[in-house]
Amino acid sequence: EDKVVQSPLSLVVHEGDTVTLNCSYEVTNFRSLLWYKQEKKAPTFLFMLTSSGIEKKSGRLSSILDKKELFSILNITATQTGDSAVYLCANPDYKLSFGAGTTVTVRA
Amino acid sequence: DAGITQSPRHKVTETGTPVTLRCHQTENHRYMYWYRQDPGHGLRLIHYSYGVKDTDKGEVSDGYSVSRSKTEDFLLTLESATSSQTSVYFCAISVSSDQPQHFGDGTRLSIL
Repeated sequence: EDKVVQSPLSLVVHEGDTVTLNCSYEVTNFRSLLWYKQEKKAPTFLFMLTSSGIEKKSGRLSSILDKKELFSILNITATQTGDSAVYLCANPDYKLSFGAGTTVTVRA
Repeated sequence: DAGITQSPRHKVTETGTPVTLRCHQTENHRYMYWYRQDPGHGLRLIHYSYGVKDTDKGEVSDGYSVSRSKTEDFLLTLESATSSQTSVYFCAISVSSDQPQHFGDGTRLSIL
């Protein structure tokens, strides 16, 4: 069964710090990996990483995919309090498997 | 966002009663999904649909049924609600199975 594992489960940082979130996956037919950010409501899409696009960047957020070692990293630089959220990674197969998420708290 | 409306947004009901949640989309996406989110479990897929009248089970489908009679509407029914089904329910849509899903704002369901 496909499985997605995220670490750490939670972390607390101060504004300006850099955060690194991990997502490891064991999927039988890898096509891509997704990252989402969830604040109070619905998850919002951040990145999709595929075999042909193993690194994505948007502002202070960036993500890489290591297909050989079966993991992905989400980095957030110069964190702000607005980055406080749960970050989810997922394998978008038919039966989409989500990791349990990493809760990031950024203190002023 | 993404033209997805879930209704109701909040509901409190009693054990044993039937409950139907509605997801309506204006994006004409083929795929629609129902998830539940609980502390410690993250998002878990209940059922999904890959077209009108085409549905399949997800990870936690027991106690739930779905129907999709129109492209824009996907209904989730709890035939006889139990307290273990107290949760936040999210609907999501996607163009295809390997494209990102976009989520509705969720329905908070409490079963007493």
